[in-house]
Amino acid sequence: SQQGEEDPQALSIQEGENATMNCSYKTSINNLQWYRQNSGRGLVHLILIRSNEREKHSGRLRVTLDTSKKSSSLLITASRAADTASYFCATDALTSGTYKYIFGTGTRLKVLA
Amino acid sequence: KAGVTQTPRYLIKTRGQQVTLSCSPISGHRSVSWYQQTPGQGLQFLFEYFSETQRNKGNFPGRFSGRQFSNSRSEMNVSTLELGDSALYLCASSLQGREKLFFGSGTQLSVL
Repeated sequence: SQQGEEDPQALSIQEGENATMNCSYKTSINNLQWYRQNSGRGLVHLILIRSNEREKHSGRLRVTLDTSKKSSSLLITASRAADTASYFCATDALTSGTYKYIFGTGTRLKVLA
Repeated sequence: KAGVTQTPRYLIKTRGQQVTLSCSPISGHRSVSWYQQTPGQGLQFLFEYFSETQRNKGNFPGRFSGRQFSNSRSEMNVSTLELGDSALYLCASSLQGREKLFFGSGTQLSVL
């Protein structure tokens, strides 16, 4: 089963509004990452937050991590039409003695101009 | 610095055939991982190679295999294709595998 699950599955907002999406995961992690994917293309790394960090900012992005609740949130402020994409969280899961990144099912964000 | 290159971009095959996909990582990156993306299942981890060795494997049948060459380029092979193998196959590279991943544009495989 998926290590990460995003919520909501889809989100539609007006340009200028803030968008918040959440990610829940199941096991202990070393870090959690957020990626963006434009339709049918590869994923682009947005931000990485380590397990000992609680909040991180990058431009209009703000990520929080709550390891006690095994959850993270991504906030995009002052959204633009160009932010329309799918957003995925990825966590490094320890399986059989090695680590691999497990991706959630994604949140499809649509920003209306 | 060139990005991750995947070839071909599109591929159409019929059931029962086999296919080989190629991935050239960013220069200096030793880890290459592969993912299958379908609308219903999201991104599913296939396997990761590091310095020519398979370091981790997902829950896919043995029809899915891969390898990595000494220059870190990687290939993924799927034998006896099934309709359900139709998907976007993505590869990602990183320096060591435990930090941010750089993705290629993917190979869109359609099995008819």
